[in-house]
Amino acid sequence: RKEVEQDPGPFNVPEGATVAFNCTYSNSASQSFFWYRQDCRKEPKLLMSVYSSGNEDGRFTAQLNRASQYISLLIRDSKLSDSATYLCVVHYGNKLVFGAGTILRVKS
Amino acid sequence: NAGVTQTPKFQVLKTGQSMTLQCAQDMNHEYMSWYRQDPGMGLRLIHYSVGAGITDQGEVPNGYNVSRSTTEDFPLRLLSAAPSQTSVYFCASTDRYSYEQYFGPGTRLTVT
Repeated sequence: RKEVEQDPGPFNVPEGATVAFNCTYSNSASQSFFWYRQDCRKEPKLLMSVYSSGNEDGRFTAQLNRASQYISLLIRDSKLSDSATYLCVVHYGNKLVFGAGTILRVKS
Repeated sequence: NAGVTQTPKFQVLKTGQSMTLQCAQDMNHEYMSWYRQDPGMGLRLIHYSVGAGITDQGEVPNGYNVSRSTTEDFPLRLLSAAPSQTSVYFCASTDRYSYEQYFGPGTRLTVT
């Protein structure tokens, strides 16, 4: 079993839609959680950290469920510019483990 | 504040050649890493360092060497390039308190 698993997608959604991605992790000792965004042929960039109580940044909401060992990312009112690959990242010890990413395509 | 810089942006090597990918950061982070990313795959950790003079192997270290003589610089050396090392290489620098990671723009390497 992979340490961090994501549905690869692609998720094809119309502009204005709400879309959610889940990510599961296998190590119960994981300490920190993040979502990164990666545009085609570019470096990953931090989108948001995920806090235990859940957190929101504009149209983006992240949730953590430690009991079930998954994190989620909800994007409301999708924009064309949200089209990218979204990477789930889990930290434990000295390791940061990346999921393979979920592809989102927002279409007009 | 440039963040993480990498050179070169593109490189073509012949099988058996060696080269060094450069990485530098100006955020005074102790933790730095090298990843490779292949089409359709996630980022795979090659080597990492938790401070000057300290390096360790990641998931796919074979064929690569690293050193960390200063906090700022973390070069990656390909000892004898192979076609299987054709990939995009990312260097990253990590805040040791938040574990937020910042990436360089990448080096696209082709080995023929």
